[in-house]
Amino acid sequence: EADIYQTPRYLVIGTGKKITLECSQTMGHDKMYWYQQDPGMELHLIHYSYGVNSTEKGDLSSESTVSRIRTEHFPLTLESARPSHTSQYLCASSDVKGLGAEAFFGQGTRLTVV
Amino acid sequence: RKEVEQDPGPFNVPEGATVAFNCTYSNSASQSFFWYRQDCRKEPKLLMSVYSSGNEDGRFTAQLNRASQYISLLIRDSKLSDSATYLCVVPRSGNTPLVFGKGTRLSVIA
Repeated sequence: EADIYQTPRYLVIGTGKKITLECSQTMGHDKMYWYQQDPGMELHLIHYSYGVNSTEKGDLSSESTVSRIRTEHFPLTLESARPSHTSQYLCASSDVKGLGAEAFFGQGTRLTVV
Repeated sequence: RKEVEQDPGPFNVPEGATVAFNCTYSNSASQSFFWYRQDCRKEPKLLMSVYSSGNEDGRFTAQLNRASQYISLLIRDSKLSDSATYLCVVPRSGNTPLVFGKGTRLSVIA
């Protein structure tokens, strides 16, 4: 089992609220990622990080922001949630070494904005 | 050509059948490739890695064709439990984010 955890698993929140989705891993991985996935649809990369104080935007434009103050922690924040943010958010991490390493995923956070 | 392209399916096959999916990629410099499996409403999990010509693990075989820039996943003797979405993953280069294909949906029918 991968040692990467996301909280909360499910979140239903009202429009306009600020929310933070937590992601932590205990594998010492430098690379971490946030993906957004709607039911039955593909994974879209929204943010990634290669280490502490490194963050980059992914392919899909997102109103969310991320931070990487500690290696093990990569939280995602939405300053003002909207119904269009309703989706599943998946956090992943991988080792920076090698030709390209396996990514381990958290169980995801299902966000519903009402 | 898109970075990673897969036939979305669905592939509906009877138990015991052999099924194969292809995934084409655009970056000829890619060195490593992965197949992930994602069950409904679950997170993706690594199924197989492909670093050279191919890889085999039990009923699953992954093959790489660098000349035509595609990788394939072959599943022999399909089980009901193989029903899932299979995602092809190709790093853009050795140290860049993983790019996931849209996935191929497989349903194994009794």
